Amino acid sequence: GAVVSQHPSRVICKSGTSVKIECRSLDFQATTMFWYRQFPKQSLMLMATSNEGSKATYEQGVEKDKFLINHASLTLSTLTVTSAHPEDSSFYICSARPYAGPSDTQYFGPGTRLTVL
Amino acid sequence: SQQGEEDPQALSIQEGENATMNCSYKTSINNLQWYRQNSGRGLVHLILIRSNEREKHSGRLRVTLDTSKKSSSLLITASRAADTASYFCATVLISSGSARQLTFGSGTQLTVLP
Repeated sequence: GAVVSQHPSRVICKSGTSVKIECRSLDFQATTMFWYRQFPKQSLMLMATSNEGSKATYEQGVEKDKFLINHASLTLSTLTVTSAHPEDSSFYICSARPYAGPSDTQYFGPGTRLTVL
Repeated sequence: SQQGEEDPQALSIQEGENATMNCSYKTSINNLQWYRQNSGRGLVHLILIRSNEREKHSGRLRVTLDTSKKSSSLLITASRAADTASYFCATVLISSGSARQLTFGSGTQLTVLP
């Protein structure tokens, strides 16, 4: 089946530092990848939609200069949280939609737990 | 705001019983999907039902969709302790165009007691 990996799975950093999270589709090509944020015991909130070779589309209220997204290839998207602060602590999940196949099925990565001290 | 509201928020049942979760949404959809999330993990796609479908089955899962009421239900039959997880409905809105993003409901935490 379609597998999506995320790295790192957990990161703890000091306030003010930047953190990069990678999302890879391992056995398929993904024209579109999505980044979500999930607070404890809450649902997933879409942050941005990332298309290979073009700028990401951010949801309302998500700062594009703070959450930098790069989708350089059909198998890799990265999310960089710049100058992270404690309120950015959350569970970040990516998903990928295959280039071929049912267009609405998304395959999710295992998530990255970010803790900003 | 969230497109979908789910109820109950939490459900606790005995192994072998059936579990039913409901999802309501507000605007017209292209399709509705159900996902499962184990604690601290990513989501696993369970089933997709299109707006012109009324019922779909997959193993022990049964999903219904009532577009007139803008609601869906997920039934898990003969539940097992391993079914313990959070379950989310997610919709692809007609208004999402070619992007076809998912809009998630609030989720139901299912606990199956052995």
